[in-house]
Amino acid sequence: NAGVTQTPKFRILKIGQSMTLQCTQDMNHNYMYWYRQDPGMGLKLIYYSVGAGITDKGEVPNGYNVSRSTTEDFPLRLELAAPSQTSVYFCASSFSNPGTDLRTQYFGPGTRLLVL
Amino acid sequence: GESVGLHLPTLSVQEGDNSIINCAYSNSASDYFIWYKQESGKGPQFIIDIRSNMDKRQGQRVTVLLNKTVKHLSLQIAATQPGDSAVYFCAENISGGSYIPTFGRGTSLIVHP
Repeated sequence: NAGVTQTPKFRILKIGQSMTLQCTQDMNHNYMYWYRQDPGMGLKLIYYSVGAGITDKGEVPNGYNVSRSTTEDFPLRLELAAPSQTSVYFCASSFSNPGTDLRTQYFGPGTRLLVL
Repeated sequence: GESVGLHLPTLSVQEGDNSIINCAYSNSASDYFIWYKQESGKGPQFIIDIRSNMDKRQGQRVTVLLNKTVKHLSLQIAATQPGDSAVYFCAENISGGSYIPTFGRGTSLIVHP
């Protein structure tokens, strides 16, 4: 298994541009998550999904959108990029079945985004 | 243990010493806790977990201690090695809840050879 993969690894955007950060997992996990991590800080949840077709906002959703059309893919869309969105973005997945044991999250390698 | 906009605390140790990284969690209903290690330029990786019906759990060179009375977790790393240098995060979660863990602020561990 490749686990959780993210593309691109690094991107520079101009203010006002848009882009999509890709995330794919091949572990058949139902839960997927997007986090951002600012330098020297912890992880903040942007959006998450509990399964295909279902998404929900996290702690810091403003300026972002997601979709979950398949179990494997969970792209994060940035519309009208702003300097405040300069960060490292991590995608994660986990398998969680209500009523059974919790499972840990598996993280991708991250996408470093710079908005100038 | 949520990020509150402060920079990460740092723990510096000598190679071979034992390291203790602490984490205060916020929700008394949390019953599942995980420690992650994040090396520079990489995503967090699972190290060890513990459920609230346990006080202690041991892995390879790592031990997690849970004190539910004061809502405190610690990660002990024995014979710390340079490869242990990383940021360590704790996460708390609730069984049967949303399965959205809450991450602690993180601690940067620096191991000097």
